[in-house]
Amino acid sequence: GAVVSQHPSWVICKSGTSVKIECRSLDFQATTMFWYRQFPKQSLMLMATSNEGSKATYEQGVEKDKFLINHASLTLSTLTVTSAHPEDSSFYICSARVGRGYTFGSGTRLTVV
Amino acid sequence: AQSVTQLDSHVSVSEGTPVLLRCNYSSSYSPSLFWYVQHPNKGLQLLLKYTSAATLVKGINGFEAEFKKSETSFHLTKPSAHMSDAAEYFCVVSLQNNAGNMLTFGGGTRLMVKP
Repeated sequence: GAVVSQHPSWVICKSGTSVKIECRSLDFQATTMFWYRQFPKQSLMLMATSNEGSKATYEQGVEKDKFLINHASLTLSTLTVTSAHPEDSSFYICSARVGRGYTFGSGTRLTVV
Repeated sequence: AQSVTQLDSHVSVSEGTPVLLRCNYSSSYSPSLFWYVQHPNKGLQLLLKYTSAATLVKGINGFEAEFKKSETSFHLTKPSAHMSDAAEYFCVVSLQNNAGNMLTFGGGTRLMVKP
């Protein structure tokens, strides 16, 4: 079946640095990618929706200059957390539309120290 | 290890009739359980969640789910389907441990509502 490979699965970075998270569709073309974050014991929160070749659509309250999303090809979408701070520590997960269904990456746990 | 199985990939009901979307899970620890809905071209929306409080959880739009530990199930129900309920539904298990957060998604169930 359709698989989205998400890397890294976990990352620890220093405050003020940037971190890039990648989601690759391995055996299909992902025209649309959803990016979510989840705080401990909370539900997933949609951050943005990206479409290949166009600008991402951000949800209200999500800083587009801080969370840079690039969807330059049909098989790769990236989320870059710029100038990360401890409050950005969270679980990030991507999801791609596949035909009429959806598939999810395995998630990235980001810890900013 | 944990896993989530949504027993039906497609469910079709008539408007006004009850909805049952089945979810079984396996987890070595006490997980949190969620149901999300996704409408076409939209992101996931939380319907309800179970986090070891009451076993019968009420969510938005008239949905509810019952956590049954003995059956390792967390089925989603609604007494009367509405046309706007047609969407994809995901059962999700979330486990927090020392290694961090683990999310496991069910394969999804597409709910179709006939007039």
